[in-house]
Amino acid sequence: GIQVEQSPPDLILQEGANSTLRCNFSDSVNNLQWFHQNPWGQLINLFYIPSGTKQNGRLSATTVATERYSLLYISSSQTTDSGVYFCAVGRAAGNKLTFGGGTRVLVKP
Amino acid sequence: DSGVTQTPKHLITATGQRVTLRCSPRSGDLSVYWYQQSLDQGLQFLIQYYNGEERAKGNILERFSAQQFPDLHSELNLSSLELGDSALYFCASSGVGVTEAFFGQGTRLTVV
Repeated sequence: GIQVEQSPPDLILQEGANSTLRCNFSDSVNNLQWFHQNPWGQLINLFYIPSGTKQNGRLSATTVATERYSLLYISSSQTTDSGVYFCAVGRAAGNKLTFGGGTRVLVKP
Repeated sequence: DSGVTQTPKHLITATGQRVTLRCSPRSGDLSVYWYQQSLDQGLQFLIQYYNGEERAKGNILERFSAQQFPDLHSELNLSSLELGDSALYFCASSGVGVTEAFFGQGTRLTVV
């Protein structure tokens, strides 16, 4: 099956700092999503981005499908950005998602 | 709010018991997916239903089963529970011809 690797596994940031999270995947995909899992365990949809670039406030994401990677940018980080960020991919419409191992982010005040 | 509803939010039960987790998908979504998140295995796909029919199966144990009802809600049945079944169980749904999936808040199962 498809492999998804995320880096770094852990990230400690000072409030206000910027960061980049990376997701590499082993095969072509039809779906790529970024999620934030908050300390209460909820999985929050951040981006649906099988290709191209999107921005939502202080977060933005870019997927280069031909090179099989996606990047999530967090700018001016806040303590509420803490949690685990997951990248997940799917091979086709209506298919299951395969998750990466996540990047655990801690933003210190 | 994702629009996907899972109940209960928390469940504590003893080894050997059976439990049922319930999921109501977003309005109009025909696909329902179940995932398990454990500390050692990460987030893993268990099973998918589409409009009442099983569509795909992942790493689901034989002690686990699921179904999707005519009103499109789904239930995940876990039986002969073991300590290792303690995990966060998520349900997700997606629409027809749409690949983006939305997740419920999860059910945290603790087997003691």
